[in-house]
Amino acid sequence: DSGVTQTPKHLITATGQRVTLRCSPRSGDLSVYWYQQSLDQGLQFLIQYYNGEERAKGNILERFSAQQFPDLHSELNLSSLELGDSALYFCASSPRPISGNTGELFFGEGSRLTVL
Amino acid sequence: EDQVTQSPEALRLQEGESSSLNCSYTVSGLRGLFWYRQDPGKGPEFLFTLYSAGEEKEKERLKATLTKKESFLHITAPKPEDSATYLCAVQGGDYKLSFGAGTTVTVRA
Repeated sequence: DSGVTQTPKHLITATGQRVTLRCSPRSGDLSVYWYQQSLDQGLQFLIQYYNGEERAKGNILERFSAQQFPDLHSELNLSSLELGDSALYFCASSPRPISGNTGELFFGEGSRLTVL
Repeated sequence: EDQVTQSPEALRLQEGESSSLNCSYTVSGLRGLFWYRQDPGKGPEFLFTLYSAGEEKEKERLKATLTKKESFLHITAPKPEDSATYLCAVQGGDYKLSFGAGTTVTVRA
């Protein structure tokens, strides 16, 4: 158990809909990262937050947005969903921004999104 | 853009049959190379960090090495519980982690 909690574990929805994925980082970790994992793309970095502020952005679509709240939990919002958005979405946390870290991220078990 | 290529895509081993996984990378200003293990339906689990060419790290039956262009993960006398997907990631000058597609290792008893 990494200590990172993600909900929901599974989500099935239709094209055009909007969903919210939630992540609670390990106790004391200030950084939260979101990754997308699909069969043909591997793990793709989406976005990183540190203590409530956005720190880095990867290949995150404009239809996707995220935020980190004062209690450090984070939410990833996916809107106008398309079939291609079906994937595993992972949240990871670390104590500091990755620039001050060993690169050791603690991953949750993921939220599996299926868009029909 | 940083690139990480892992080979082979899949590796089937008999218990006790040692082998190596390869991770080749192109990165601007390597800050670190990382190995993770991922079990089916789980999130990746951190294994090693390597910072400079020539560095080696060991953990049980796993040994990671780093050169200027690639890293190897050696699995010595593997057991069925070593079956997993092994992911390599690099951290470049922009501090972002870029992951490879992984090598899926299956160890048969």
